[in-house]
Amino acid sequence: QQQVKQSPQSLIVQKGGIPIINCAYENTAFDYFPWYQQFPGKGPALLIAIRPDVSEKKEGRFTISFNKSAKQFSLHIMDSQPGDSATYFCAASGDSGYALNFGKGTSLLVTP
Amino acid sequence: EAGVAQSPRYKIIEKRQSVAFWCNPISGHATLYWYQQILGQGPKLLIQFQNNGVVDDSQLPKDRFSAERLKGVDSTLKIQPAKLEDSAVYLCASRWTGSSYNEQFFGPGTRLTVL
Repeated sequence: QQQVKQSPQSLIVQKGGIPIINCAYENTAFDYFPWYQQFPGKGPALLIAIRPDVSEKKEGRFTISFNKSAKQFSLHIMDSQPGDSATYFCAASGDSGYALNFGKGTSLLVTP
Repeated sequence: EAGVAQSPRYKIIEKRQSVAFWCNPISGHATLYWYQQILGQGPKLLIQFQNNGVVDDSQLPKDRFSAERLKGVDSTLKIQPAKLEDSAVYLCASRWTGSSYNEQFFGPGTRLTVL
């Protein structure tokens, strides 16, 4: 059973737009929520991560918003660029080295 | 700092053949994971090691998959015999045990095609 549900499956935005990718989880024991970026032929690369004690975290153009009561979190990419075109995965896990439970991924295309 | 290394990068075999993948984690990372990523899906854990001991292999199809981590460093994942549905990218990841975050660093993966 899918422990993390991700939407949309694909997304097209123009350069400078703000794509938003959403994820939802059920397991209240999860307390680590990373986002990974994956380019074709490459392994996933950690982009940004959040823990449930904060509602928002920003690193450069990437922001995670976290809603603990709704058990939802989302990734916002500010001023998106064509180089951001990739597949984005949300994930969730308990702490202390547990395996990551990934969403199915969102294929993002940023057009010039 | 060198990343997670994996080889081979690509492998094509026929069903019922055997195949092995190799992973060298980031130096000093005691935790090592093997994930399977089927096309169009997120990675799914196959097995997790802490040093040379297995922590979680509940999702490993043990009738055909095996893995080991000799001396707590390199790891190999083997499939014998392979089935068509094993076609996927096999990702190795590692984590430094002392990190307060569950940061896992992934290798480039091995793309397996079973014909």
